[in-house]
Amino acid sequence: DTAVSQTPKYLVTQMGNDKSIKCEQNLGHDTMYWYKQDSKKFLKIMFSYNNKELIINETVPNRFSPKSPDKAHLNLHINSLELGDSAVYFCASSQAASPLHFGNGTRLTVT
Amino acid sequence: AQSVTQPDIHITVSEGASLELRCNYSYGATPYLFWYVQSPGQGLQLLLKYFSGDTLVQGIKGFEAEFKRSQSSFNLRKPSVHWSDAAEYFCAVGDNNNDMRFGAGTRLTVKP
Repeated sequence: DTAVSQTPKYLVTQMGNDKSIKCEQNLGHDTMYWYKQDSKKFLKIMFSYNNKELIINETVPNRFSPKSPDKAHLNLHINSLELGDSAVYFCASSQAASPLHFGNGTRLTVT
Repeated sequence: AQSVTQPDIHITVSEGASLELRCNYSYGATPYLFWYVQSPGQGLQLLLKYFSGDTLVQGIKGFEAEFKRSQSSFNLRKPSVHWSDAAEYFCAVGDNNNDMRFGAGTRLTVKP
């Protein structure tokens, strides 16, 4: 199936740990994104990459480091996790000004 | 950067009643406008989009939206709501640089 897939779906970890979330799209899109959705459902853009190049970096703490090995993949690594990092993280992709295609989200819980 | 305001955090309508969800945007040029729906525990699904042309756009599931430049609005409507429409609805504005910003969302509850 053509889709945006992200893993894992759930991630429970303790404060101070380092974790990664992976995202892959097989839609042939040039642009990929990470969004953070907080408990109030607010969707905030974190990063976007176009053809492996960082385009948007929205005042995200440098504990968050995106990596795009190729235009079909955009991974998110988080160092020294904090309680406030608990959220649902969505990966998405798009082509030009087309609508975003979203993954199903990764629910991160930091205890 | 562009921004979106959804004034209504939560709306409750009776099944069969009409629905209008409000969206106002801020952007200097002609925007690309979208409405997405999110069911609990799910990702976001595109309902409809506006790029140019006819200001009344039709989407999936019987939804439509009207772009009004003079009011910087892109309100979502449905003539008759079904119980399965209960979800979170997000308006979004994009630009030529693939920068997509979302509103805070409106939670729709449907009463039997």
